[in-house]
Amino acid sequence: GAGVSQTPSNKVTEKGKYVELRCDPISGHTALYWYRQSLGQGPEFLIYFQGTGAADDSGLPNDRFFAVRPEGSVSTLKIQRTERGDSAVYLCASSPDRQETQYFGPGTRLLVL
Amino acid sequence: GEDVEQSLFLSVREGDSSVINCTYTDSSSTYLYWYKQEPGAGLQLLTYIFSNMDMKQDQRLTVLLNKKDKHLSLRIADTQTGDSAIYFCAESVTGANNLFFGTGTRLTVIP
Repeated sequence: GAGVSQTPSNKVTEKGKYVELRCDPISGHTALYWYRQSLGQGPEFLIYFQGTGAADDSGLPNDRFFAVRPEGSVSTLKIQRTERGDSAVYLCASSPDRQETQYFGPGTRLLVL
Repeated sequence: GEDVEQSLFLSVREGDSSVINCTYTDSSSTYLYWYKQEPGAGLQLLTYIFSNMDMKQDQRLTVLLNKKDKHLSLRIADTQTGDSAIYFCAESVTGANNLFFGTGTRLTVIP
């Protein structure tokens, strides 16, 4: 079946702009996760959704980052007033339920100039 | 937070076995995972092991877990050039929602 999809695959923006990154999880998966992967590093947790609610947003680095999942399926990660340090690959993962195996999408490569 | 460590690089000759090692600090791990990342791609789940198991074999892949030493390894038998990638170990921990990842081991297979 279809895996996790993410759009866009690449995004180039200018410092100070607003960006939205989209994740479409595997159908039926209730848990959705966002991670950020900087160059040469492993993924770092940002936020976790169980259904429609953000059950754990402890990984968001500051209040410029926000994510929603209004209907319990597709999620959007929003970054306001982007900074050059936000440049990274943003990975989305989904799992059937909490603490089950996570399946990752291909990521969105964000470059802030 | 939880600390997961891996060596950065490994080179092997095609046809040899590869062994990628990982150590972790949290003793309340539930599952341990191995993911593969090819250039420009996302993470592909390779295999995982429940924390109360010692070993799991899946075709060319063998996972060994030494819970006492908090050491996890991934052995790839008959390594092929298509196995060249970055391999991440990851840990799920009781009470935490997310996975904790190592920095990845870049495996290079020499033809």
